[in-house]
Formats: sequence, C-alpha cells, structure tokens
Amino acid sequence: EAGVAQSPRYKIIEKRQSVAFWCNPISGHATLYWYQQILGQGPKLLIQFQNNGVVDDSQLPKDRFSAERLKGVDSTLKIQPAKLEDSAVYLCASRWGTGGEDGYTFGSGTRLTVV
Amino acid sequence: AQSVAQPEDQVNVAEGNPLTVKCTYSVSGNPYLFWYVQYPNRGLQFLLKYITGDNLVKGSYGFEAEFNKSQTSFHLKKPSALVSDSALYFCAVRGMNSGYSTLTFGKGTMLLVSP
Repeated sequence: EAGVAQSPRYKIIEKRQSVAFWCNPISGHATLYWYQQILGQGPKLLIQFQNNGVVDDSQLPKDRFSAERLKGVDSTLKIQPAKLEDSAVYLCASRWGTGGEDGYTFGSGTRLTVV
Repeated sequence: AQSVAQPEDQVNVAEGNPLTVKCTYSVSGNPYLFWYVQYPNRGLQFLLKYITGDNLVKGSYGFEAEFNKSQTSFHLKKPSALVSDSALYFCAVRGMNSGYSTLTFGKGTMLLVSP
C-alpha cells in the first residue's frame, strides 16, 4: 500500500510569513495526526482528526496555527505568521482504527526553517 | 496524563555487541507501548509494540523489547548490533482522550554503533 505522503519536504521562510503543509494519509485511514518535532525533542501532537472532525487540538497554538481535513481524506496545516521557534519537522501520521492497538504510519515529514 | 522518559540522550555500542535503549513510562490503565526508529531526513518507522501477553516482544530488524510492569519499563534490546542500526529511537505510550487514542513520545535516544 502507498504510504503517507507529505509535501513539501523542505521549506525556508522568513519570520512573519505564512506557510502551508499538505498530507495525504493511507487510503481508508480514518484517523490523522499532525506532530511537531523540534530538534532534540520527541514528536509533540498538534492536532488529531477523526474523519473530518477534530478530536484533539489542545496543543495547537491557535493564534497562528490552523489545520483542516475537509473531506476526511487529505489535510493541510497552516502557520500564519511564522515565528523563529516554529522551526521544526512537521510529521503527519495516519491509522485505521481508534483503539490504539495498531501503530501509526508516519510520512517523511516537512522540515521548516524560519529565518 | 501519560508520559515517557528516555534517560539517555545517546547510547554507544560496538558492532556485534548487545545493545539496550532504556524507556520508562507513566500511564493510567493498561499500557500500550511502542518503539519507533527515525533515520536522517525520514519519518518514524514502527519497530514493535506491546499490547498484552508475553513480556518479551519481538519486532523488526532483530529488535526486541522487554516489558516490566513493576518497574514501568519497556527497554529496547538487540543481541548483536549492526552499524546500520545507528539512528534515533523513540519510545511511545498510548493515551486515551475522549475515547480516541494518542501516542505520547519520549525525547528520543541516539544510538551510535561503531565498526
């Protein structure tokens, strides 16, 4: 099966600019996650979707970050305006179920550098 | 809330020697535990998981992990390390939020295997 697709792979922007990342999960996977991985840290959950509904966005900085999954398939994560501390790898993951027995499948991530 | 601790930033081992990467966890209820590996500029790849049953779990690439409930640990092991095992390893624990599962990751341990 095809994996989780993410684009772009790399992005460099200036602070206060906006940026968007795209994720296409594995076909049929109802649950989609966006994680932020800052250098030297483990991935931190930003937002979790179940189909096209948000299940958990408690750690999403909503003043600057937004995400949507309108048709319950692919998803977009946006940052506007970006800050230097947003420099990180943004990982998208998907899974079929909700119970937690199966592992996540991660995409290769988007490496964002804010200068 | 659930949490994971990986006490070592880096583990160094010579090729052919056994390796151990340590992980301890905190979670309410029965633990679902995972190990992932990340190679440079790649997403996270699933290695193995513990859901229930035998305390010794076998996974991909010859890795195994030992679950110890009394010590709340889930250490990753391999009998004979390869140079190609050099990568960043993450331990993760499942948490439940309103009936939906989320993985919480440790900060990661860099494994360096020398020839």
